[in-house]
Amino acid sequence: DADVTQTPRNRITKTGKRIMLECSQTKGHDRMYWYRQDPGLGLRLIYYSFDVKDINKGEISDGYSVSRQAQAKFSLSLESAIPNQTALYFCATSDSRYYPERDTQYFGPGTRLTVL
Amino acid sequence: AQSVTQLDSQVPVFEEAPVELRCNYSSSVSVYLFWYVQYPNQGLQLLLKYLSGSTLVKGINGFEAEFNKSQTSFHLRKPSVHISDTAEYFCAVSVGEAGGTSYGKLTFGQGTILTVHP
Repeated sequence: DADVTQTPRNRITKTGKRIMLECSQTKGHDRMYWYRQDPGLGLRLIYYSFDVKDINKGEISDGYSVSRQAQAKFSLSLESAIPNQTALYFCATSDSRYYPERDTQYFGPGTRLTVL
Repeated sequence: AQSVTQLDSQVPVFEEAPVELRCNYSSSVSVYLFWYVQYPNQGLQLLLKYLSGSTLVKGINGFEAEFNKSQTSFHLRKPSVHISDTAEYFCAVSVGEAGGTSYGKLTFGQGTILTVHP
């Protein structure tokens, strides 16, 4: 089984709808991240969480919210989806115990979201 | 704040040819550098990373990268590519400032799509 899973893998929705993307990990890592990927822009950080009680905004958090329900679960919500939130969304994890700046991040398979 | 620039958005090559994917970064503090690969319809996985020590870093699948501090570059190379190397490659940087707001976060470049032709 994959260490980092994301559900759903694909989602098509309409403008104004509320959408939740879910991420689960079995790696036992403290740190979890949400990124979006747009062609030609690379990956941009939306939110990150260093542990269950510590959630931080990334560079493009407007229009998004997150919930860290447990060490293993980190959900991303779009409260009112708009077309320019159409993108590929990735969840990632890393082990922050000693030197987080040196850590490898482990990525899920991604969720392709289309907002019509 | 740190930034990463990948100088080529697309690189087409023929099978068994050498390839270099270029990456430049900017940061006012010490950095750690990464290359990730994304195969079609998959998430990203680590190819290699530079933390300290030897400036030539070897990674998986025959790739290597050289850290050049004076030129602020971290170019990725492979002497002979295969069809299976077709993917998108991302350079990324994290900074080593304990307690800072960017501590442990990755900043990615725009990506380079490598296409290997038979």
